[in-house]
Amino acid sequence: DSGVTQTPKHLITATGQRVTLRCSPRSGDLSVYWYQQSLDQGLQFLIQYYNGEERAKGNILERFSAQQFPDLHSELNLSSLELGDSALYFCASSLRGHEQYFGPGTRLTVT
Amino acid sequence: AQKITQTQPGMFVQEKEAVTLDCTYDTSDQSYGLFWYKQPSSGEMIFLIYQGSYDEQNATEGRYSLNFQKARKSANLVISASQLGDSAMYFCAMRDDLNFGNEKLTFGTGTRLTIIP
Repeated sequence: DSGVTQTPKHLITATGQRVTLRCSPRSGDLSVYWYQQSLDQGLQFLIQYYNGEERAKGNILERFSAQQFPDLHSELNLSSLELGDSALYFCASSLRGHEQYFGPGTRLTVT
Repeated sequence: AQKITQTQPGMFVQEKEAVTLDCTYDTSDQSYGLFWYKQPSSGEMIFLIYQGSYDEQNATEGRYSLNFQKARKSANLVISASQLGDSAMYFCAMRDDLNFGNEKLTFGTGTRLTIIP
């Protein structure tokens, strides 16, 4: 158990819908990262937050947004979902300069 | 831009043998970190080992060691005395250690390791 929690574990939704994925980092970790793992794109970095502020953006679509709250939990919002958004979405957390610990992931299926 | 290459899509290894998973990287950064993660069939990503670019000694964590050859830009993972539970996908990843605030990991495509009893 990495100490990072993600909910829900599985999510099935239809095209055009909007979903929210939630992540709670390990106790004491200020950085939260979101990654997407799909068969065709592999593991890709989406976005990083540090102590509530956005720090880095990767290959994140405009339809996707995220935020980190004062209690350091983070949410990833995916809207206008397409079939190609089906993937495993990971949240990871770390102390600055240390290894990232990953949550169990949320498997999103868009039908 | 950073790039990680894992050239072995799949490997089959006899139980109790040692196995080396290859990883080469490309970066113009002077300070960087290299990581290995394990992803079992259940899907979670498990951190295994870390090597900093300025570390003089190869990193070791139990049965895992990282064979770091900076001049060759390689960071191979060595698993000694393999066990059935080692069957999983293994990912090599890199982080730019100088760019505070942008500590994203860049991943390779992974190697699927299967341990044969």
